[in-house]
Amino acid sequence: GENVEQHPSTLSVQEGDSAVIKCTYSDSASNYFPWYKQELGKGPQLIIDIRSNVGEKKDQRIAVTLNKTAKHFSLHITETQPEDSAVYFCAAGGSQGNLIFGKGTKLSVKP
Amino acid sequence: DARVTQTPRHKVTEMGQEVTMRCQPILGHNTVFWYRQTMMQGLELLAYFRNRAPLDDSGMPKDRFSAEMPDATLATLKIQPSEPRDSAVYFCASGLGFGSYNEQFFGPGTRLTVL
Repeated sequence: GENVEQHPSTLSVQEGDSAVIKCTYSDSASNYFPWYKQELGKGPQLIIDIRSNVGEKKDQRIAVTLNKTAKHFSLHITETQPEDSAVYFCAAGGSQGNLIFGKGTKLSVKP
Repeated sequence: DARVTQTPRHKVTEMGQEVTMRCQPILGHNTVFWYRQTMMQGLELLAYFRNRAPLDDSGMPKDRFSAEMPDATLATLKIQPSEPRDSAVYFCASGLGFGSYNEQFFGPGTRLTVL
């Protein structure tokens, strides 16, 4: 069945450094790739997404890249801050409106 | 601002009891999803609806779980009878799931503990 692999499962960086999280997906029909941030005790919040007709998208300190040929996409956070500490989920979606989520990456940003 | 609401936020119950979780999707959204989150399994899709009709509930244990949308402003997830392994956080999400507009907006979740 459809599957999304996410790495690493945990990531610790120093404040100001960059963080990169990578995901691969199995369904070549997927055309939508969102990233969610989940803080403790809260629901996942959409932070950025990319559709299959573009290769890169940037929003301030956050950027996503997509390689449809290789079926992988990545989240890049630059100049990390302590408030970036959270669990990040990637997902891949298709035309039916459902999303397949990765297992999550726990990011810790140390001051 | 528009957001998905879920009630209750926390529920502690004993094994064998019925549990009902409620979700109010964002007004105008036509797709509603139910997820379960555990440390071991991550986010699992249980069921989803479009225009109040169930599209897929293959992720749900059919013998004890049921999901319905009595109207466009209310989605419910019931567990009867509940078991300790059902302990998890249950999220509802809504979206405009047509074409390529697949953004899903999550509620705050219901944390269920079955003793």
